[in-house]
Amino acid sequence: EVQLVQSGAEVIKPGESLTISCKASGYNFDSFWIGWVRQMPGTGLEWMGSVYPGDSDSSSNPSFEGQVTISADKSIRTAYLQWSSLEASDSGMYYCVRGLWAFDVWGQGTMVIVSS
Amino acid sequence: EIVLTQSPGTLSLSPGERATLSCRASQSVSANYLAWYQQKPGQAPRLLIYAASSRAPGIPDRFSGSGSETHFTLTISRLEPEDFAVFYCQQYGNSPFTFGPGTTVEMK
Repeated sequence: EVQLVQSGAEVIKPGESLTISCKASGYNFDSFWIGWVRQMPGTGLEWMGSVYPGDSDSSSNPSFEGQVTISADKSIRTAYLQWSSLEASDSGMYYCVRGLWAFDVWGQGTMVIVSS
Repeated sequence: EIVLTQSPGTLSLSPGERATLSCRASQSVSANYLAWYQQKPGQAPRLLIYAASSRAPGIPDRFSGSGSETHFTLTISRLEPEDFAVFYCQQYGNSPFTFGPGTTVEMK
């Protein structure tokens, strides 16, 4: 079964750093783009960016460039979304997704709450 | 950036009825790279349709997609109780890939 399993919910203080993860199984990790989609409370969906584990190529939404780092470690079939300094406005649900175009597999989501 | 607009915002229907959801793009979507997703409360979205009219694996044939360029439609031929949810369109023909704001299909 093709699956993306994400790390658990996080409660973080403003200014702190954070990395959340997404472990893939059931398919050739190297051969599919993997990325992240944000859903803020009560709002819609925003594609943040994606990475191709096979050669580390990347594609990103300009709205998120410089705000987050998206990476993948193909040796352990895991993708990451990293912040160096979180703000309250980063609070939301983050989904990892397979594919660069239509996203055919979704993780269960990781809730990030940024609060002092 | 391509902006997607979905209408109506909410659709109130009964099981067995037909649902027609609209997605309009601010400019032509390259190669009709338009997808539809369904999201139920507390769940991740699920891919229903890609390339405007191709059903994803395992999606029942009561779901169908149509359209081209700037106007796309998702049709649910006969609503089942499990179909009530929020539906999003997404274009992936031009980066950044963008989603519409969603249409809620609620039970009347």
